[in-house]
Amino acid sequence: DSGVTQTPKHLITATGQRVTLRCSPRSGDLSVYWYQQSLDQGLQFLIQYYNGEERAKGNILERFSAQQFPDLHSELNLSSLELGDSALYFCASSVGVATEAFFGQGTRLTVV
Amino acid sequence: AQKVTQAQTEISVVEKEDVTLDCVYETRDTTYYLFWYKQPPSGELVFLIRRNSFDEQNEISGRYSWNFQKSTSSFNFTITASQVVDSAVYFCALSEAFMEYGNKLVFGAGTILRVKS
Repeated sequence: DSGVTQTPKHLITATGQRVTLRCSPRSGDLSVYWYQQSLDQGLQFLIQYYNGEERAKGNILERFSAQQFPDLHSELNLSSLELGDSALYFCASSVGVATEAFFGQGTRLTVV
Repeated sequence: AQKVTQAQTEISVVEKEDVTLDCVYETRDTTYYLFWYKQPPSGELVFLIRRNSFDEQNEISGRYSWNFQKSTSSFNFTITASQVVDSAVYFCALSEAFMEYGNKLVFGAGTILRVKS
């Protein structure tokens, strides 16, 4: 158990809908990262928050947004969902620079 | 731009064989970090090792060992006496250093390792 908790584990929704994925980082970790894993794109970095502020952005679509709350948990919001958004979404956390990131079990999103 | 190449898409071995997973990286940074993660069939990503660019010492942890060679930009992973439980997808990853708030990872495509009994 990495200590990073993601909910829900599975999500099935229809095209055009909006979903929210939730992540609780390991105790003491201030950085939260979101990654997307799909068959065609592999593992891709989406966005990073540190202590509530956005710090780095990767290949995140405009339809996607995220935030980190004062209690350090994070949410990834995916809207106007398309079939191609079906993927495994991982949250990871780390203490900060020069430390490894620990990953949650992921949320498997299926858009039908 | 940073890039990680895992040329071996899939490897099959018989239990107790040794197996080496290759990883080649590209970066213009002089300071960076390299990682290996394991993704078993259950789907989670499990951290295995982190190595910084200034530490070229090889590392051994039980049946696992890592060979970091800066001259060839490689960070290879060897499993000795493989076991069926080692069957998983293994990812090599790279991150730039000196990011004050943490490091984003660039992953390779992964190598599927199948260990048969």
